[in-house]
Amino acid sequence: GAVVSQHPSRVICKSGTSVKIECRSLDFQATTMFWYRQFPKQSLMLMATSNEGSKATYEQGVEKDKFLINHASLTLSTLTVTSAHPEDSSFYICSATLTSGLSYEQYFGPGTRLTVT
Amino acid sequence: GQNIDQPTEMTATEGAIVQINCTYQTSGFNGLFWYQQHAGEAPTFLSYNVLDGLEEKGRFSSFLSRSKGYSYLLLKELQMKDSASYLCAVREEGNNRLAFGKGNQVVVIP
Repeated sequence: GAVVSQHPSRVICKSGTSVKIECRSLDFQATTMFWYRQFPKQSLMLMATSNEGSKATYEQGVEKDKFLINHASLTLSTLTVTSAHPEDSSFYICSATLTSGLSYEQYFGPGTRLTVT
Repeated sequence: GQNIDQPTEMTATEGAIVQINCTYQTSGFNGLFWYQQHAGEAPTFLSYNVLDGLEEKGRFSSFLSRSKGYSYLLLKELQMKDSASYLCAVREEGNNRLAFGKGNQVVVIP
């Protein structure tokens, strides 16, 4: 089956610093990747849709200047949390689809636990 | 927009059957997914329904009624490893965006 990896799996950073999270599709090309955030005991909240070679589409209420998304290739999307604050501490999960609009399944990465101190 | 509702928590005995419900309201429907999520891990795909009726997959079955905006996931012969959160997600028409419910925590006891 399709495999999606994320790196790092856990990261602790100081308030005010930036953190980059990578999402890779290992055995398929993903034209579309999605970034989610999940707080404890909450559901997954879609942050943005990342399309290869174009600007990401952000959900309402998600600051695009704070959460920078780059989808430079068909196998890699990155999320950079800039000027992180403790309230950004969360579980960040990416997913990827095989081909935009055709596949019915999203393949999820293992997630990245971000703690901002 | 989309509104998805799930009950929050239930406890069941090993070997039992549980049904997890999901109701949704959406302006454009293009399929409903069920995912299993263990604590601290990413969701794993369980089932997909786009037409009305029951889809059976081993110990798990999922049902959809589009006219009622309703789905359920049926877990049979519960095992301890089934203790997890079960999330339903609705896919929007025209794109692959998923809107997730809050999830239902199932705790399996001996």
